[in-house]
Amino acid sequence: QKEVEQNSGPLSVPEGAIASLNCTYSDRGSQSFFWYRQYSGKSPELIMFIYSNGDKEDGRFTAQLNKASQYVSLLIRDSQPSDSATYLCAYTNFGNEKLTFGTGTRLTIIP
Amino acid sequence: ETGVTQTPRHLVMGMTNKKSLKCEQHLGHNAMYWYKQSAKKPLELMFVYNFKEQTENNSVPSRFSPECPNSSHLFLHLHTLQPEDSALYLCASSQDRGFIAEQYFGPGTRLTVT
Repeated sequence: QKEVEQNSGPLSVPEGAIASLNCTYSDRGSQSFFWYRQYSGKSPELIMFIYSNGDKEDGRFTAQLNKASQYVSLLIRDSQPSDSATYLCAYTNFGNEKLTFGTGTRLTIIP
Repeated sequence: ETGVTQTPRHLVMGMTNKKSLKCEQHLGHNAMYWYKQSAKKPLELMFVYNFKEQTENNSVPSRFSPECPNSSHLFLHLHTLQPEDSALYLCASSQDRGFIAEQYFGPGTRLTVT
């Protein structure tokens, strides 16, 4: 079983709609969760992190964490073509700086 | 720009060559990391340095040799690589270790081993 599972996509969403990206993880010791955006040919760019159950909002982005169900999601409201990228989910454990990544979900926003 | 720079951006080397990748961070961070990104695989952590001390070696073959002379610079020395080592090598830094330490990535070095 992979440590971090993400649907590889591609996920196609119309411009202006809500894009929903999901991630499940197997390690119950996981404490903090990160969403990175990676444009083709570029390095990952941190979008958000979350470590408490519930929702965390930052502009058009909302991260949702449910530790009991072991999933974390990223919602992108009012999707723009510039949001088209691969989104990587990652986590760390308490006292451990090691980031464990999923393979990413490729998102395409259709104008 | 994230404040993390890497050189060279592209590198082609033969299996018998020796080369080095360089990373520099201008963020005042204390921890630095090397990752490998191959097609269709998750990002793989290779090495972690915190205050110049190596704190993790994620079972990386000895043909990869890291060096961290100070908290701002990180090198990855390469020798007798294999074609399967061709990948994007990413450097990252964070303020400190810890489970909520946000890591910022450099642009990466695209390595091709022939």
